[in-house]
Amino acid sequence: GAVVSQHPSRVICKSGTSVKIECRSLDFQATTMFWYRQFPKKSLMLMATSNEGSKATYEQGVEKDKFLINHASLTLSTLTVTSAHPEDSSFYICSASGLGGETQYFGPGTRLLVL
Amino acid sequence: DAKTTQPTSMDCAEGRAANLPCNHSTISGNEYVYWYRQIHSQGPQYIIHGLKNNETNEMASLIITEDRKSSTLILPHATLRDTAVYYCIVLIQGAQKLVFGQGTRLTINP
Repeated sequence: GAVVSQHPSRVICKSGTSVKIECRSLDFQATTMFWYRQFPKKSLMLMATSNEGSKATYEQGVEKDKFLINHASLTLSTLTVTSAHPEDSSFYICSASGLGGETQYFGPGTRLLVL
Repeated sequence: DAKTTQPTSMDCAEGRAANLPCNHSTISGNEYVYWYRQIHSQGPQYIIHGLKNNETNEMASLIITEDRKSSTLILPHATLRDTAVYYCIVLIQGAQKLVFGQGTRLTINP
């Protein structure tokens, strides 16, 4: 149980384009989903927290207009990197937690390369 | 949330028990101890968590000292696939934000 998937697993895009990453909880209802970013040899950094049906809460320093997060259902959240630049190249990981649970379960990650 | 301190790296022989320590001397009464691990180029994997009692599941055991200021994650029979970065995180009950430190890079040697 507690399986979280992400799609795509890796994506290459041109600078200036937008990229959408999907995060799905496959066997539980995720009331809260989280988006993290990880640069090479660094630890995970939380970008934002989203609760189903409400606006995401962004961490300090994360541009909400650049990283659009939608959590429209209890099993799906999307992260859209708008007008991507090479410095946005990173490993993006989502996690999800269910009703009443503190335990977060993580997706496999999406590796984004912006050329 | 309380800060944790872990060794930067550890080595363990395949088949032996891997004991990963974590110090959390400022932990408060309602903070849980969580362990995750991250295998290279994958998302973190939940391992185990506890409040004050020792816990065991199919993956590992968690030993928490009586004063709760430190804990040890035990992988009873380490395999090469257990090579990963292991993160010890303390989290207040009901809170949602996981703060990842640098973790311990565990290498299992054949």
